[in-house]
Amino acid sequence: RKEVEQDPGPFNVPEGATVAFNCTYSNSASQSFFWYRQDCRKEPKLLMSVYSSGNEDGRFTAQLNRASQYISLLIRDSKLSDSATYLCVVNHSNYQLIWGAGTKLIIKP
Amino acid sequence: GAVVSQHPSWVICKSGTSVKIECRSLDFQATTMFWYRQFPKQSLMLMATSNEGSKATYEQGVEKDKFLINHASLTLSTLTVTSAHPEDSSFYICSARFSSGANVLTFGAGSRLTVL
Repeated sequence: RKEVEQDPGPFNVPEGATVAFNCTYSNSASQSFFWYRQDCRKEPKLLMSVYSSGNEDGRFTAQLNRASQYISLLIRDSKLSDSATYLCVVNHSNYQLIWGAGTKLIIKP
Repeated sequence: GAVVSQHPSWVICKSGTSVKIECRSLDFQATTMFWYRQFPKQSLMLMATSNEGSKATYEQGVEKDKFLINHASLTLSTLTVTSAHPEDSSFYICSARFSSGANVLTFGAGSRLTVL
């Protein structure tokens, strides 16, 4: 089993819809969690950190479920520009960041 | 904000040649830089951790004699792919922590290597 798993997608979603996807992690000692966004042939860019209490940034909401060992990302009112691959990153010890393979999201007009 | 400048953006070379990729931290000092490799539709895989003034720490399965890392200053780390082969074709990305102890990484723009 991979340490960090994501559904590769692609998720094809109409513009304006709400979409959510999860990322599961295997190490219960994982300490911090992040969502990164990666556009095709570009470097990853931090989208948001994920806190235990959940956090929201505009149309994006991230949540952590420690009991079930997954984090989620919800995008409301999706825009065409949201099309990208969303990478889940888990840190379970200092300097050890484990990356998921990403979930590809395609927003269609 | 913290910026990591990575060059070249892409390179095409013949099999057997060596390719050097540079990463510079702009406006901040990066005592530690991380080098990743990403194959199509796969996750980023950490290759090595580069520490200024000391030897890099390589991940299991990464050949240190093939992927030479030099971190001679607080703002520059280089990765040299020696005797490149087609299977080395990949997207190589460097990253650095903007501040000590933080887990948020700042990435270079990546270097796409194609070995013919």
